[in-house]
Parts: sequence; structure tokens; C-alpha cells
Amino acid sequence: EAGVAQSPRYKIIEKRQSVAFWCNPISGHATLYWYQQILGQGPKLLIQFQNNGVVDDSQLPKDRFSAERLKGVDSTLKIQPAKLEDSAVYLCASSFTGESLWEQYFGPGTRLTVT
Amino acid sequence: AQSVTQLDSQVPVFEEAPVELRCNYSSSVSVYLFWYVQYPNQGLQLLLKYLSGSTLVKSINGFEAEFNKSQTSFHLRKPSVHISDTAEYFCALTGGFKTIFGAGTRLFVKA
Repeated sequence: EAGVAQSPRYKIIEKRQSVAFWCNPISGHATLYWYQQILGQGPKLLIQFQNNGVVDDSQLPKDRFSAERLKGVDSTLKIQPAKLEDSAVYLCASSFTGESLWEQYFGPGTRLTVT
Repeated sequence: AQSVTQLDSQVPVFEEAPVELRCNYSSSVSVYLFWYVQYPNQGLQLLLKYLSGSTLVKSINGFEAEFNKSQTSFHLRKPSVHISDTAEYFCALTGGFKTIFGAGTRLFVKA
């Protein structure tokens, strides 16, 4: 079974520029998560989708971050405009339903550097 | 509010020695608890989970964790570590549809 795919793997931008990340979850996984992992810290949940509806976006800085999951499959996360403190690894994860509902499968992440 | 505290940021240990990585949590709702591992230059992967039932859960590579509700802990243990266990370990909880990760513990196994 193919894993969670993310692109790009690395991105360097200047502050005030915009950037977008893409995630393709494991086939059949209804729930999709975006996390921000700053160096030396644990992943912080930014947004959680169930199919194409938002379950939790309480920690998403909505003035600059946006995310969508059209058709309940792929998802994009956008930052506009970027700040220096947005430098981090952005992780996408997905999970199935049923007994394994809460087991999350992670993609390789996108490392963002804002200069 | 929910929180996860990993009490040690780094744990150095010699090969074949036992190890315990500590995790405490706080939540006002019932939770599911997880340990994830991140090997160098790899993505996060699930190591083991507690959903319900037996409070002692085990992984295929010799790790185990015990859910202790009274002490709100979910410590990870291994009786004899290998060099290949060198990695960062994250404790996480899911409760009320929210997922929270701890800051991580870097396990460094020395020969």
C-alpha cells in the first residue's frame, strides 16, 4: 500500500512570500491532518479534516494559513505571507476509520525555510 | 485543556541496558495514547498504542508501555536496547477528537 505523499520535500522562500504544500493521503483514509513541527518540538496540529469537512482548526493561524481538501482526498496547505517563525517541517498524516481510527500514518514532511 | 509532558528531552544509554522514557498527560476527557518513533532521516511512525482493554501494550521490536490512569502516565520501556533504537520518541494523546504530541525524547544508544 502506498504511503502518504507530500510535495515538495524542501522549500526555501523569503519572508512575505507565499508557499503551498500538497498532500495525498493513503487511499481510503477519511481523516487528514496537517502538523507543524518546529525544530526541537513535537508536532503541533494545525488542521484536521474528516472527508472534506474541517473537524479542528483551532491552532491554525487563519490570518496567514489556509487549507483545503477538495473532494475529500488531496489537500493543500498555504501560507501567505510567510514569516520567519514559519520555518518548520510541515507534516501531513492520514487515518482510517473503525478500529484503527486513531492510528495516524505520516508522510515524509516538507521542510520550509523562511529567510 | 489537554497536555502531554515528556519529562526527559534526551536519554543516553549503553547498548543492552534497560531504558524508560517517561510520558505524563492531562485531560478532562477519555484519551487514547500513542508512542511514535522517528528514526534519523525518516518520517514518524507508530510504535504502539493504547485504546482500551489491557493496560500493558507491546510493540513488535520489544518496547512496551503501560497506561496508568491514576498517575496519568504512559511510560515507554525496553529491557535491553540496541544501537538501532537510536531515534526520537514522541508520546501523543487523542481525546475529544484533538491530538496533542509531547516535545519528544531523543534516545541515544551508545556502544
